[in-house]
Amino acid sequence: TQLLEQSPQFLSIQEGENLTVYCNSSSVFSSLQWYRQEPGEGPVLLVTVVTGGEVKKLKRLTFQFGDARKDSSLHITAAQPGDTGLYLCAEVQGAQKLVFGQGTRLTINP
Amino acid sequence: DADVTQTPRNRITKTGKRIMLECSQTKGHDRMYWYRQDPGLGLRLIYYSFDVKDINKGEISDGYSVSRQAQAKFSLSLESAIPNQTALYFCATSDHGLITGELFFGEGSRLTVL
Repeated sequence: TQLLEQSPQFLSIQEGENLTVYCNSSSVFSSLQWYRQEPGEGPVLLVTVVTGGEVKKLKRLTFQFGDARKDSSLHITAAQPGDTGLYLCAEVQGAQKLVFGQGTRLTINP
Repeated sequence: DADVTQTPRNRITKTGKRIMLECSQTKGHDRMYWYRQDPGLGLRLIYYSFDVKDINKGEISDGYSVSRQAQAKFSLSLESAIPNQTALYFCATSDHGLITGELFFGEGSRLTVL
């Protein structure tokens, strides 16, 4: 069973700072999704990456997929309190189901 | 109104009781899923269904059962609840394969087993 490891598990920074969170696997991803979950709600999809080396941007969020498709990163520029939440990466298995990492809990302090 | 609705949103029960969590969706999706979320463990798949006659076990199905009553309804049952089933449970739907698709989640059902 492929294991997804996210790091760090917890991150607390000041508003305006930059940050990067990571998602790593023991083997190759078919494709990878990033979700954000806010308290009291279900996760919501941010992005899907499929091709090795792919970079996608969503406003201040930049997602990278490693060339070998075994890792991914999420970089946030000039973090804002509204970015606070649990960030989850998830591997698509067999196009049928998602296997999630344990998440990075991000807190942005005003 | 939410596209994926879970009931109840919160439930406290005792060890040995039978519990049913219900999920209904108005998105018209064929695929439905049940996940549980525990602190530090992310979301783990319990069961999933691709249509009314299709039920598949996920990675942690022991102690759980499901019923797909209709395209729009997928319920999760705990026949005899135990304390380590205390968790946040999520129902999700998708309309096609996940390479290019996504999961749409309900708001969660928090279950506490005493």
